[in-house]
Amino acid sequence: GAVVSQHPSRVICKSGTSVKIECRSLDFQATTMFWYRQFPKQSLMLMATSNEGSKATYEQGVEKDKFLINHASLTLSTLTVTSAHPEDSSFYICSARAGGDITAFFGQGTRLTVV
Amino acid sequence: DAKTTQPPSMDCAEGRAANLPCNHSTISGNEYVYWYRQIHSQGPQYIIHGLKNNETNEMASLIITEDRKSSTLILPHATLRDTAVYYCIVRVEDSSYKLIFGSGTRLLVRP
Repeated sequence: GAVVSQHPSRVICKSGTSVKIECRSLDFQATTMFWYRQFPKQSLMLMATSNEGSKATYEQGVEKDKFLINHASLTLSTLTVTSAHPEDSSFYICSARAGGDITAFFGQGTRLTVV
Repeated sequence: DAKTTQPPSMDCAEGRAANLPCNHSTISGNEYVYWYRQIHSQGPQYIIHGLKNNETNEMASLIITEDRKSSTLILPHATLRDTAVYYCIVRVEDSSYKLIFGSGTRLLVRP
């Protein structure tokens, strides 16, 4: 399958600061990228969908001003958690889909800890 | 998108086949069935997908009933590395291509 890479895999940040997570499609052009978050012992929750060059579409209940998503190129999307708080600590996972392909592939995830 | 129902947990012996069921009784004609799995602390891994016909790849087989209201993912010779949470997802082939995850089945492969 196609390769999707996230960076960093783990990050610890102080409360009130912002942190950026990168998601790259390494061997294909990702027309659409998705961002999920996952709390311990829970399933993945879709946060937003982004299409290259367009504004992201956020799921209900997800604050777009807190979780900034940029999908400026066909191989890179970023999620910035602004003014992070301890309750934002979670496992963040991206996935990507190539145009014309109905299958999405996932990154390895980023564990964010806000202290 | 149609809702799926999976048993919360299953186990099987190493080397034996693992058969993971999924009910999707409200599935409509243009909805695909996808299977992903998530090994602890990793991102989900794509396994297989199908619409009407049974499908097989190097990882697994997907058996879809004729009425499409249920399906079974078969891992023919389970190994310890197949221990994971398996998600069955039904998705409309619309422009969003979103995957909405349910709670999945936690499969434990026993030595």
